[in-house]
Amino acid sequence: DTGVSQDPRHKITKRGQNVTFRCDPISEHNRLYWYRQTLGQGPEFLTYFQNEAQLEKSRLLSDRFSAERPKGSFSTLEIQRTEQGDSAMYLCASSFVGPRYEQYFGPGTRLTVT
Amino acid sequence: KQEVTQIPAALSVPEGENLVLNCSFTDSAIYNLQWFRQDPGKGLTSLLLIQSSQREQTSGRLNASLDKSSGRSTLYIAASQPGDSATYLCAVLNTSGNTGKLIFGQGTTLQVKP
Repeated sequence: DTGVSQDPRHKITKRGQNVTFRCDPISEHNRLYWYRQTLGQGPEFLTYFQNEAQLEKSRLLSDRFSAERPKGSFSTLEIQRTEQGDSAMYLCASSFVGPRYEQYFGPGTRLTVT
Repeated sequence: KQEVTQIPAALSVPEGENLVLNCSFTDSAIYNLQWFRQDPGKGLTSLLLIQSSQREQTSGRLNASLDKSSGRSTLYIAASQPGDSATYLCAVLNTSGNTGKLIFGQGTTLQVKP
């Protein structure tokens, strides 16, 4: 499968625990994006990388959230001291840099904080 | 600030009907617009991408149009089938600044009844 992959697909954690998600983009793509989607809403942008550089972060990305893409390939999103409000689907996408910037999404990681 | 709205929020039609989903955006300075399909609990599948210089794109039974000046896009689905039942999301990529983020509408949930 040459699409975007995410791991794990589901994560249940207790409030206050730390969680880490992984995203593997389409291999030729140099841009990687993270979005968050809550029930009944469209996805909301969190952050994106071009190669290993993090170029933009949303205000949604509080200081408990950190994302990395150390070698310009896969990326990790870590949430520290999880809260119930962090329960959501976390989606990863990737694209080329131009000309279309068409974003391809992975299957998502469903996080439930109890 | 770009805002994307999709109307209606939900739609139920009998199989075989042609239908139109609407998407409007407040800032016409867009680079492109993407239509996605999302099945329950799954990631997003890209259906069509329209560049800002284009008026429409077609793929099979799907046709998407774009009118930048009025801030509108439509997704036309011909001869609907029960397998088309899903949530359809539109998203715009702005030209303002060097941003990679897509801004999504809340989606239209479509049910096609056999």
